[in-house]
Amino acid sequence: DQQVKQNSPSLSVQEGRISILNCDYTNSMFDYFLWYKKYPAEGPTFLISISSIKDKNEDGRFTVFLNKSAKHLSLHIVPSQPGDSAVYFCAASAQGGSEKLVFGKGTKLTVNP
Amino acid sequence: DTAVSQTPKYLVTQMGNDKSIKCEQNLGHDTMYWYKQDSKKFLKIMFSYNNKELIINETVPNRFSPKSPDKAHLNLHINSLELGDSAVYFCASSQALAFLGGANVLTFGAGSRLTVL
Repeated sequence: DQQVKQNSPSLSVQEGRISILNCDYTNSMFDYFLWYKKYPAEGPTFLISISSIKDKNEDGRFTVFLNKSAKHLSLHIVPSQPGDSAVYFCAASAQGGSEKLVFGKGTKLTVNP
Repeated sequence: DTAVSQTPKYLVTQMGNDKSIKCEQNLGHDTMYWYKQDSKKFLKIMFSYNNKELIINETVPNRFSPKSPDKAHLNLHINSLELGDSAVYFCASSQALAFLGGANVLTFGAGSRLTVL
């Protein structure tokens, strides 16, 4: 039962262009969404989050968009840099006592110089 | 200074053995977690402890026993290891935000790769 889905296992973009990573979810109780970045042999590191009461959150080159009616969110990276090459995980949580983060399977982003 | 550190980083062992993975965080967080990343790359929660109390146990076999001697440490002991236990195990910590609101941002360790032969 995948509550958080990242349907693209990989994405390749040119340096300087926009990277768009997508994520879909099924649980309407989720009220926070997070993106994590993971380099090989390291743990995931937090990138950016968004509350379900917002539709956009921006932090430098990273912007997350949330479409609640479609149960869809996306992470935009612009401009993309070779150092952005990593696996990106979408995660979601539902408040109300549980502090569990549910993760997607990840999308491997490769930014070519 | 590593925020969440886990040891060992690599562990190779035979089926049937018992092994432990240790985790320590120096962030002053109240909550600690164990996540498992299997061969299909899913990151799935196993356990969560808040101030040494178990709050999440995601139907993990009872061969897995977490132990939290204090809120800065959460160790994972695995008995009678099986081939299917081969995975990368990640420890993480966060501030308890359930009553404060806000995103629950986890800080992860670098992972411990367990290989069962």
